[in-house]
Amino acid sequence: DADVTQTPRNRITKTGKRIMLECSQTKGHDRMYWYRQDPGLGLRLIYYSFDVKDINKGEISDGYSVSRQAQAKFSLSLESAIPNQTALYFCATSDRYSEAFFGQGTRLTVV
Amino acid sequence: AQSVTQLGSHVSVSEGALVLLRCNYSSSVPPYLFWYVQYPNQGLQLLLKYTSAATLVKGINGFEAEFKKSETSFHLTKPSAHMSDAAEYFCAVFNFGNEKLTFGTGTRLTIIP
Repeated sequence: DADVTQTPRNRITKTGKRIMLECSQTKGHDRMYWYRQDPGLGLRLIYYSFDVKDINKGEISDGYSVSRQAQAKFSLSLESAIPNQTALYFCATSDRYSEAFFGQGTRLTVV
Repeated sequence: AQSVTQLGSHVSVSEGALVLLRCNYSSSVPPYLFWYVQYPNQGLQLLLKYTSAATLVKGINGFEAEFKKSETSFHLTKPSAHMSDAAEYFCAVFNFGNEKLTFGTGTRLTIIP
């Protein structure tokens, strides 16, 4: 089983719909992250959480919200999806001062 | 604030040739640096990392990178390219201030048969 699991892997949704992307990890790490990948822009941080009670905005948090349901679970929501949120989304987890471990990604298309 | 710049969004090399992917960083303190690889339709996988020990770091699949403080560089190399090396490669720097990873914009490596 993968260390970091994202669901769904692919999703097409309509403009204005609410959508949730889910992430769970079995690494036992406290830290979890949501990134967005766009061609030519690399990975940009949306939200991050250093423990269940600590959630922080990243560089592109507008239009997104998150929930840290447990140490192992971190979900990302788009309250009202818009086409420019079409992207590849990655969840990651890490220990302090160590490398991040990534999920397989969720390809989201907003039409 | 820490940042990384990857020179060349696309690099093509012939099979068997040297692979050189460039990464320059900006950091006010000695950094932790990482190279990740992303194969098509997959997540990012760690290739190697520098955490202030040896300046020449060896990673998986025959890749290595050398930390050069004087040049603020952490270039990724492989002596002989293989078709399976075709992927996108990301350099990243760990920001000790806010404890986050900052990624470069990536370099797509194409291997020519």
